[in-house]
This record gives sequence, C-alpha cells and structure tokens, in this order.
Amino acid sequence: DAGITQSPRYKITETGRQVTLMCHQTWSHSYMFWYRQDLGHGLRLIYYSAAADITDKGEVPDGYVVSRSKTENFPLTLESATRSQTSVYFCASAASLTYEQYFGPGTRLTVT
Amino acid sequence: QKEVEQDPGPLSVPEGAIVSLNCTYSNSAFQYFMWYRQYSRKGPELLMYTYSSGNKEDGRFTAQVDKSSKYISLFIRDSQPSDSATYLCAMSEGSGYSTLTFGKGTMLLVSP
Repeated sequence: DAGITQSPRYKITETGRQVTLMCHQTWSHSYMFWYRQDLGHGLRLIYYSAAADITDKGEVPDGYVVSRSKTENFPLTLESATRSQTSVYFCASAASLTYEQYFGPGTRLTVT
Repeated sequence: QKEVEQDPGPLSVPEGAIVSLNCTYSNSAFQYFMWYRQYSRKGPELLMYTYSSGNKEDGRFTAQVDKSSKYISLFIRDSQPSDSATYLCAMSEGSGYSTLTFGKGTMLLVSP
C-alpha cells in the first residue's frame, strides 16, 4: 500500500539505551521530517531531509541522529535515550517544503 | 511571544453547530497556511491548504486568512461528532529553507 509507515508503533526502552525509529514512504517524496509531539509543546521538528544524504537540524535536534541513504527511508536514532525523550514521534514526507506534509501514524516511545 | 498562538480548548459544541477555530501569528513572512486534523492516537492529516490571503471552501470546511491581522480561521459548518479531534494550524514562509511552524492545536468536542 502507498503511504508512510512507522515502526515500531510502541516502544519501551531504558535510559542510556540506543533506539532507532523507522520511517518508510512510498510516494518518492523528496522531503522527510521527524517531529516529536508532547503535551504543552505541540509538534516540534527534530530533523528533516531534502534528499538522500542531505539532512538538516530542526528546533530540537539534541540527542538525536538521522541518516537518509535511500529516498524512501528516514530512520531516527536516539543514541543514549533519556527520560525527557519520552514522547510520540511522527514522521512526515512532502514533495517540497511548501507542499503539504503527510504524516505517519506515530511511534509512542517511553524511556524508563 | 510564540510565533503561532492557538487556544488549546477544549471547545465543546452540540452537533450541528458552526465551529470557529483560530490561530494568530507574528511572522509577517508566512505565506502558506494549513489546517491539520488529528484524531486521538493518530497522525495529523491535512484538511485545508491556502496560499496568501482569502477564503477557501471544501465541503463543510472554510479556511480564511487575514494577513493584515495575522489571523487565520477554520470554520466547520453543521459540525458532526466525527469532527471531534484536535485541529492544528501550520504555516510557512515558503522560502527554500522554511519549514512548517505549527500551532499547539485546539481540541474540539462535538456532542450528539
């Protein structure tokens, strides 16, 4: 099916562990984005990518690493998870920065 | 002052009511305006997309942009219980490096 998928949908990890959240889109959109959504803060951009091998920081990049070796995939890695990274993470894709973004279903991450 | 302000609600209305959801913003360079709907535990989905000032209608939904007042609105006519969701406004300057800035969202509850 065409669209944007995220895995896992739910994840519980311990402080200090590395965890990778996956995002895959089938539209061949150039742009992909990672957001976190927290009560009281709304959606905040973590990183985005304009194309394979091109990434840029968003509003809250500290503690996160991204890569984009293929257009369709945009994994987000928490190198050493902290409790403050407990959140719902959304991946999105778009044909360009001015075009509408399409969001995945989200990954609910809990860091204990 | 936050760049985009949105009343978090909840806004409770009876079925059939006309709903008005609003956002104010401070960045006069914003040119692209969007409304997303987010159901509980789901990703945001695009409802309306407008460029610059004016109105845009799609079924029961009307988006209005007043750039002189830095104010955007989403009107929902004949509201239904299925409209119960959180509504996020988002906007962009439209430049090559301008990402979307989201409001925190307004929760709408439509009672039967």
